[in-house]
Amino acid sequence: GAGVSQSPSNKVTEKGKDVELRCDPISGHTALYWYRQSLGQGLEFLIYFQGNSAPDKSGLPSDRFSAERTGGSVSTLTIQRTQQEDSAVYLCASSLGIMYNEQFFGPGTRLTVL
Amino acid sequence: QQQVKQSPQSLIVQKGGISIINCAYENTAFDYFPWYQQFPGKGPALLIAIRPDVSEKKEGRFTISFNKSAKQFSLHIMDSQPGDSATYFCAASILEYGNKLVFGAGTILRVKS
Repeated sequence: GAGVSQSPSNKVTEKGKDVELRCDPISGHTALYWYRQSLGQGLEFLIYFQGNSAPDKSGLPSDRFSAERTGGSVSTLTIQRTQQEDSAVYLCASSLGIMYNEQFFGPGTRLTVL
Repeated sequence: QQQVKQSPQSLIVQKGGISIINCAYENTAFDYFPWYQQFPGKGPALLIAIRPDVSEKKEGRFTISFNKSAKQFSLHIMDSQPGDSATYFCAASILEYGNKLVFGAGTILRVKS
């Protein structure tokens, strides 16, 4: 079956611009996670959604970062006023639920801020 | 505070040899310890995982050894193959707190043929 998909695969933007990154989780997966992978910080958790509950935003690095999940499915991660340090690969993962251990990762969106 | 420490940073192993990657954690509340494998340009994929109530788990050529008292766990890859060349990440999480994975820094494995 289809895995987690993310778009775009690559995004180049100028410092100060806003960007939106999209994640389509595996159908039926109620939990959705965003992680960031960068050379300096490794793989780090950003935010997760579980069903209709309020998202856990504890990993967001600043208030320039936000995410939403519409209809319990597709999620969008928005970064406002991008900075060069935001350059990284943004990974989305989904699972059947937070008590179902395995998280399935998408291929990521590589963001480059010039 | 780095909650999961992974070593070595890189590893070169001959084909057929054993690859060993180690991780140590600090938070005793962690109750789920997965290993992920990542190839260039791809997202991480779950390789094998363990809960703290067992000391070892084996799946094919891959084995996790878990030492709760030492707060350490390791991945052993037996009969390493060139196709195993990838980056390996250990991780830890607390399942009831959202299963938010805390990753180690990663180990780049190269298996020489």
